Amino acid sequence: AQKVTQAQTEISVVEKEDVTLDCVYETRDTTYYLFWYKQPPSGELVFLIRRNSFDEQNEISGRYSWNFQKSTSSFNFTITASQVVDSAVYFCALCRTNTGNQFYFGTGTSLTVIP
Amino acid sequence: DGGITQSPKYLFRKEGQNVTLSCEQNLNHDAMYWYRQDPGQGLRLIYYSQIVNDFQKGDIAEGYSVSREKKESFPLTVTSAQKNPTAFYLCASSPAGTTYEQYFGPGTRLTVT
Repeated sequence: AQKVTQAQTEISVVEKEDVTLDCVYETRDTTYYLFWYKQPPSGELVFLIRRNSFDEQNEISGRYSWNFQKSTSSFNFTITASQVVDSAVYFCALCRTNTGNQFYFGTGTSLTVIP
Repeated sequence: DGGITQSPKYLFRKEGQNVTLSCEQNLNHDAMYWYRQDPGQGLRLIYYSQIVNDFQKGDIAEGYSVSREKKESFPLTVTSAQKNPTAFYLCASSPAGTTYEQYFGPGTRLTVT
């Protein structure tokens, strides 16, 4: 069975602090994809990153960075120098490659950045 | 602009009534999806469709029905059989054939009283 766990339900940080959102997944597949989405108060999910299971390189995009560790089944997301606009719910998701693009979402982490 | 349209943004219905949520995309994507989101929970898949005139049940299909008569449209009907229909409903689409990210619409918040 596939499962994505985001143990941090809510996080509050003060603006300019760094924050890491944890994501742990379970799958027996050897090939799969991992995603992060941002859901601002408007409700629409915004795609942030896709990573396949064979690519363990960490990625940095501006203030965002992602750390994929297959050995611990984790795909953590760090926001550096957080800003108020980063306040949102963040979802981690797993997608198997043989099930018609079916996603398995975590329960989300609600991030509040305090000015 | 290309994207996914869901209407209306807010929908109110009385218990016992069927209601249909609209989802339209002009991204030329083959695959479309419906998710349900409840407070404090992740997204749960209701139905998905890889091609026109074909669709599959997701994890929580009971009490819902869909149709896919056109590539760009994937309406979801919440029937009176759905025991707890009040939720936020999100539609998504993606290209078919490989594992692409899904693009989401703005969602419809359904309240049934």
